[in-house]
Amino acid sequence: DGGITQSPKYLFRKEGQNVTLSCEQNLNHDAMYWYRQDPGQGLRLIYYSQIVNDFQKGDIAEGYSVSREKKESFPLTVTSAQKNPTAFYLCASRSTGDNSPLHFGNGTRLTVT
Amino acid sequence: GNSVTQMEGPVTLSEEAFLTINCTYTATGYPSLFWYVQYPGEGLQLLLKATKADDKGSNKGFEATYRKETTSFHLEKGSVQVSDSAVYFCALYNTNAGKSTFGDGTTLTVKP
Repeated sequence: DGGITQSPKYLFRKEGQNVTLSCEQNLNHDAMYWYRQDPGQGLRLIYYSQIVNDFQKGDIAEGYSVSREKKESFPLTVTSAQKNPTAFYLCASRSTGDNSPLHFGNGTRLTVT
Repeated sequence: GNSVTQMEGPVTLSEEAFLTINCTYTATGYPSLFWYVQYPGEGLQLLLKATKADDKGSNKGFEATYRKETTSFHLEKGSVQVSDSAVYFCALYNTNAGKSTFGDGTTLTVKP
């Protein structure tokens, strides 16, 4: 079955450490997105990529970095510069075309202590 | 810029009650409109969509009509079930922006 896989589901890190969240899709979608969701809040866009080897900052990119070396993969690194990294992180993808919806992974819950 | 405003929650209803969750938007051009649903601990799933004015999206008993004159896309269901308890997000996609804009989400709890 086609879909988006995020791993791991739960991730624990010590403050000051960088951590990389995985996102893989086998939907052949060109565009991929990373969102952050805090309790009781909506989604905030971190980074997005509309094509391989290209990506743009979203609304809250500070303290995060991404790469898009392959169409299927869009890993997100949460750096030690991110002041409040504990959150639920969602990866999504979509095909080109205005009518295409986003397809989401099941998220990674990151806890930094 | 683009923005989406959703009815604030939480919303609590009894089973078989009528549901309305209001959504209004601001956008340039002609965006596509979406409702997504999120169950606890999961990602979002597409519930329904509409791509042009007066289109009605529908799925699982939920409906929403793209109203350009009132810039609205209200979600309705005639008779909710306990299993409909979730968080509902209204969103738009505008080609000019190349990204989606989401409302803050509305938490629905349905009690037996």
